[in-house]
Amino acid sequence: DIVMTQSPLSLPVTPGEPASISCRSSQSLLHSNGYNCLHWYLQKPGQSPQLLIYLGSSRASGVSDRFSGSGSGTDFTLQISRVEAEDVGVYYCLQGLQTPYTFGQGTKLEIK
Amino acid sequence: QVQLQESGPGLVKPSGTLSLTCVVSGGSISSSNWWSWVRQPPGKGLEWIGEIYHSGSTNYNPSLKSRVTMSVDKSKNQFSLKLSSVTAADTAVYYCARVLTVQALDPWGQGTLVTVSS
Repeated sequence: DIVMTQSPLSLPVTPGEPASISCRSSQSLLHSNGYNCLHWYLQKPGQSPQLLIYLGSSRASGVSDRFSGSGSGTDFTLQISRVEAEDVGVYYCLQGLQTPYTFGQGTKLEIK
Repeated sequence: QVQLQESGPGLVKPSGTLSLTCVVSGGSISSSNWWSWVRQPPGKGLEWIGEIYHSGSTNYNPSLKSRVTMSVDKSKNQFSLKLSSVTAADTAVYYCARVLTVQALDPWGQGTLVTVSS
C-alpha cells in the first residue's frame, strides 16, 4: 500500500494569515498520463469530506481561490492564502494512483 | 447534480453482518464511474473499503477483503456493502462516494453511523 504522511497534524492559525499543509507519499503519484493522482479534502465538523483540490493542483468547482495545491511525485502542499473562520476542520490528502486508495492521517486546522 | 444517500441498520451485533445501501440520485449508476465505500471510526481518520463498477467488477482493500462484498442494483440505481464477522473495531461512520475519472472521490453521501455492540 502507498503510505500517505501529513504534517503538521495540528495547525492553529490566526484569521487572515496563510497556512500550509504537507503531504508526502511513500512512492511517486505521477501517473503515466503526466498527472499526479493526489487530491485534497476538507472535512468540516459534523460533515462529510468535501473535495478541494484534485490532481495535485486543480481546484474543484465552487472552491475559493484562497486554496491552492502544488507539488509532484511524492511531495505535495496545500496552501490557504488567508485563513477564514469557515476553513476550520480536518484536511486530508488522498492518493488515487492505485488501490487500495489511501488517505493521510489528517491535519486539524483551528483558529487561534 | 449527483447526490448519494446511505441507509441501513445503525446497530449490528458482534459476529454479525453489516449491510448498507447507497442510493444514487441525479445521475445513473451505469455511468463511466466507479462507486466507493469509505469508513471513519469515531474521532479517527478515513479508510477506503473498496469500489464497484456497474458491471459488477470490484476492488477491495486487502485489509478487509475476506469480509467484504459489494453489489450493484442497476434497476434501483443503488449499490450495497456487506461486511461480515463484525467486531467493535468496525464501529464507524460509513460513507459512499462516486469515484471520478481522475480517481478522486466526489461527491460523498452524508454518512451513516454503524455501531457494533451486543
